[in-house]
Amino acid sequence: QQQVKQSPQSLIVQKGGISIINCAYENTAFDYFPWYQQFPGKGPALLIAIRPDVSEKKEGRFTISFNKSAKQFSLHIMDSQPGDSATYFCAALTGGTSYGKLTFGQGTILTVHP
Amino acid sequence: KAGVTQTPRYLIKTRGQQVTLSCSPISGHRSVSWYQQTPGQGLQFLFEYFSETQRNKGNFPGRFSGRQFSNSRSEMNVSTLELGDSALYLCASGGGTSGGEQYFGPGTRLTVT
Repeated sequence: QQQVKQSPQSLIVQKGGISIINCAYENTAFDYFPWYQQFPGKGPALLIAIRPDVSEKKEGRFTISFNKSAKQFSLHIMDSQPGDSATYFCAALTGGTSYGKLTFGQGTILTVHP
Repeated sequence: KAGVTQTPRYLIKTRGQQVTLSCSPISGHRSVSWYQQTPGQGLQFLFEYFSETQRNKGNFPGRFSGRQFSNSRSEMNVSTLELGDSALYLCASGGGTSGGEQYFGPGTRLTVT
């Protein structure tokens, strides 16, 4: 019930291409879905997040698409750049008193070739 | 605003020893969560503190404990260290206006030999 499944494990994209990472969840109590970007030797950085009352959120080159009925959400990186090469994690959280308890996907290693 | 700070950044300990890690959240944030990151298990939630009270706890043995002080700074303690405790320990600070926003520190890399 608490799992978040992320795919693919690794992704190679050419510069300028679109990177797409998918996540699926089981717990319908989840109501906040962030994406994190992590570079080697650094902590995860909050990239973008969405709540289930909207189907899409865009910030710059990053877009989250959310499908509540399918219990799936995805991250799209448009015009991918070599500097986007990092590990990406999706996560989910239930509201209320579980404010700080993020459940993470297993991560996707993105490599953007110049 | 200063970000989340964690000390020390690197630590090497021997099996059986204990260790204390420290985290200072973003100024004004009252929630501090701890996570363990390993290549095999990924990012796993340890516990969360809010206003000096443990509000949530993950599925880790009692050797893992923590506390939060009145200034929101938090410490995490691991007693009787095992080789499998080698990991990156991350602290996250919460308090964003949208609720749920958590900002991570750089982590403490713990190696148990």
